[in-house]
Amino acid sequence: GAVVSQHPSWVICKSGTSVKIECRSLDFQATTMFWYRQFPKQSLMLMATSNEGSKATYEQGVEKDKFLINHASLTLSTLTVTSAHPEDSSFYICSASPPTGRNSPLHFGNGTRLTVT
Amino acid sequence: DQQVKQNSPSLSVQEGRISILNCDYTNSMFDYFLWYKKYPAEGPTFLISISSIKDKNEDGRFTVFLNKSAKHLSLHIVPSQPGDSAVYFCAASVRGGADGLTFGKGTHLIIQP
Repeated sequence: GAVVSQHPSWVICKSGTSVKIECRSLDFQATTMFWYRQFPKQSLMLMATSNEGSKATYEQGVEKDKFLINHASLTLSTLTVTSAHPEDSSFYICSASPPTGRNSPLHFGNGTRLTVT
Repeated sequence: DQQVKQNSPSLSVQEGRISILNCDYTNSMFDYFLWYKKYPAEGPTFLISISSIKDKNEDGRFTVFLNKSAKHLSLHIVPSQPGDSAVYFCAASVRGGADGLTFGKGTHLIIQP
């Protein structure tokens, strides 16, 4: 089945530094990938839609300059958390769907646990 | 305003019995619904989906029912097994998933031996 790989699985960084998270589709090409965020015991919240070759589309309330998304190829999207602060500590998950048209289930990576100290 | 609601934070079911997880939604534009299973510190794993043109979809032990008039869907797992213990998320989308998913808060299913 479709596999989405996310790296790193966890990262600890100091306040003010930037962290890059990678999301790869391993056995299919994904023109669109999605980035979600989950706080403890909360739902997964869509942050942005990453489009290959064009700018990402951000959900309301998500800072574009803070969460930089680059979808440089059909198999790779990256999320960079810039100038991270402790409140950015969360579980970040990416997803992608094989281009089989509508009603195609999204497959998720294993997530990245970010802790900002 | 939460568009997808899972009102039961947790559910305990005996092994071998049926587990029924419920989900309600408010956005009538949703046309594709999915259930995911999730373990801590892992990404969600796709279980089963249903499009709005159907009212039932079955895959092995998992069956999803959709009642559009009530804006309600449910996931039935029968028989329940210990390995089914996890958090189950209901998700919905418009345009068949092309715009990403809206998730409920999840229900923690506990299967008791």
